[in-house]
Amino acid sequence: EVQLLESGGGLVQPGGSLRLSCVASGFSFSSYDMTWVRQSPGKGLEWVSAISGSGANTYYADSVRGRFVISRDNPKSTLSLQMSGLTAEDTALYYCAKEMSQLWLTDYWGQGILVTVSS
Amino acid sequence: DIQMTQSPSSVSASVGDRVTITCRASQGINTWLAWYQQKPGKAPKLLIYGASSLQSGVPSRFSGSGSGTDFTLTISSLQPEDFATYYCQQANSFPLTFGPGTKVDFK
Repeated sequence: EVQLLESGGGLVQPGGSLRLSCVASGFSFSSYDMTWVRQSPGKGLEWVSAISGSGANTYYADSVRGRFVISRDNPKSTLSLQMSGLTAEDTALYYCAKEMSQLWLTDYWGQGILVTVSS
Repeated sequence: DIQMTQSPSSVSASVGDRVTITCRASQGINTWLAWYQQKPGKAPKLLIYGASSLQSGVPSRFSGSGSGTDFTLTISSLQPEDFATYYCQQANSFPLTFGPGTKVDFK
């Protein structure tokens, strides 16, 4: 059974930093691309960042490029998102997501982790 | 960037109704499209990928069609558990983008 367990969320002040982690199990982690998707309270889904299975290729939404860094540790089956320069607009539920083979479409989602940026 | 639009933004329907949701891409995306269902407080769930392929375990009352710029999600006979918000997503190019969502609620 595929499981994705996010951690690292919480309350952070504007301008602060936070690191999200997602531990994956139930599949061959290194074989699959992974993404982060966020959802602001009461709003729709927003793609944030993606990384290829090897970690060689990374992609970012314009809204986070230069502030967020996606990475993965394949031996530990862990996906990470290092977030810095946080603003109130980054307040959201952040989902870790597994992509389908050869497709940038998500077939499994974590339960989400809340990030709140507020003073 | 490829912009995704959906219509309607909300639809009121009854159990047994046929419901159709449309999704339009601002440029051609072949069939690189997925549909997701999201219920309140839950993570999204993949329904359709490749515009028309049914994800394993998803009831056959869900179907998808389209290619290029225009796509549809059809629920042939709405069931109580189908009241939710539905999103389309393009996977043709980065940045990946979602539609704004269509909420299906009780008439």
